[in-house]
Amino acid sequence: AQSVAQPEDQVNVAEGNPLTVKCTYSVSGNPYLFWYVQYPNRGLQFLLKYITGDNLVKGSYGFEAEFNKSQTSFHLKKPSALVSDSALYFCAVRDGNSGNTPLVFGKGTRLSVIA
Amino acid sequence: GAGVSQSPSNKVTEKGKDVELRCDPISGHTALYWYRQSLGQGLEFLIYFQGNSAPDKSGLPSDRFSAERTGGSVSTLTIQRTQQEDSAVYLCASSLTALNTEAFFGQGTRLTVV
Repeated sequence: AQSVAQPEDQVNVAEGNPLTVKCTYSVSGNPYLFWYVQYPNRGLQFLLKYITGDNLVKGSYGFEAEFNKSQTSFHLKKPSALVSDSALYFCAVRDGNSGNTPLVFGKGTRLSVIA
Repeated sequence: GAGVSQSPSNKVTEKGKDVELRCDPISGHTALYWYRQSLGQGLEFLIYFQGNSAPDKSGLPSDRFSAERTGGSVSTLTIQRTQQEDSAVYLCASSLTALNTEAFFGQGTRLTVV
């Protein structure tokens, strides 16, 4: 069965500084990886995904993520954080070799960007 | 509709009562997911539908929980004899059948058992 680990419950970063939200995964087949963001009192929004191709994936709101197969990681990054980036971030994985497996999420990381 | 629609948005029920939560996925999306998010917690997978069948029911916490999907569209999640620990936000998502497409989430149903 697939699983996702987000080792940090909380990440604090100053506005204008680069940010990284960490994610590692475990899956028996090919990993299909996703990042979602949840703003306060709002639903989950899709940010970006890695399926195949370039290891660096660019997504919404200036976010990007790097797929590293050897380290089984898919860390979310942004070169310059904004206060409005403060939210709850979820990493998710699905087994790309199976049509009958669900999308499994990590526990989430709360990002706080301080002005 | 344009997005995933869930109803009701809020539900307060007495302990021991049954509740039904509804999810209307995006038209044409064959995959449908139910998750539960407790206060300050992550997303707990409950059940996944591909069409009308549920290949993975492993996340249902107990036999009080059941879900069905008819016509490859609307899904209902039923919780029988609700308990206080069932209080959470129940989220529904849908995606196209292909594995590599992202899931789109509804706004959720906030269930409070008193």
